[in-house]
Amino acid sequence: QSALTQPASVSGSPGQSITISCTGTTSDVGGYNYVSWYQQHPGKAPQLMIYDVTNRPSGVSDRFSGSKSGNTASLTISGLQVADEGDYYCTSYTGSSTLFGGGTRLTVL
Amino acid sequence: QLQLQESGPGLLKPSETLSLTCSVSGGPISSSSYYWGWIRQPPGKGLEWIGSIYYTGYTYYNPSLQSRVTISVDTSKDQFSLKLSSVTAADTAVYYCARQDILTGYSSTDWGQGTLVTVSS
Repeated sequence: QSALTQPASVSGSPGQSITISCTGTTSDVGGYNYVSWYQQHPGKAPQLMIYDVTNRPSGVSDRFSGSKSGNTASLTISGLQVADEGDYYCTSYTGSSTLFGGGTRLTVL
Repeated sequence: QLQLQESGPGLLKPSETLSLTCSVSGGPISSSSYYWGWIRQPPGKGLEWIGSIYYTGYTYYNPSLQSRVTISVDTSKDQFSLKLSSVTAADTAVYYCARQDILTGYSSTDWGQGTLVTVSS
């Protein structure tokens, strides 16, 4: 099984919106509504931002939203802030395993 | 509040077996709502799921590591453990333990701080 495909990097200016894609197959992203997104800052453990494609855990800003179309899931961050800078990873539970995306480095210019 | 703490040797030689334990506090490991997982991250690289275990002992592993991985659970101590055999430099990574919530698509709100394991001769 291959890792999910994410762009290596995205960037945006404060206040703007960005979207990070996560492409899999019908065996993972497309076949289950079990896509999660994590934010990771250097030297820190990942933090859950989105689960079950569209849901935000308690305490996560509503500037973060998730969606899915076919085999591609997306994370959108609106009203970009400097604090949003970091690495973002998607994951998909497949029924017998958990797949991670390769990660996307978000730079807030 | 749930806390997870990884422990184990930080330096191994090639061909040795990596052994790590995750100690869980603030909640029982024997809950029907969760799996308990291991994830690793090589320096400067992305996250890789290693495998997960249910409190009953049921496991599922990353197919690419399955031949070398064993995950076990000790509910009496609220701990679960990882063994990875025949390590090489490619196994050098920060190893995280995490709780996976079955009710939220096996996502993980709770993680350990991570422990760096270096494989070097």
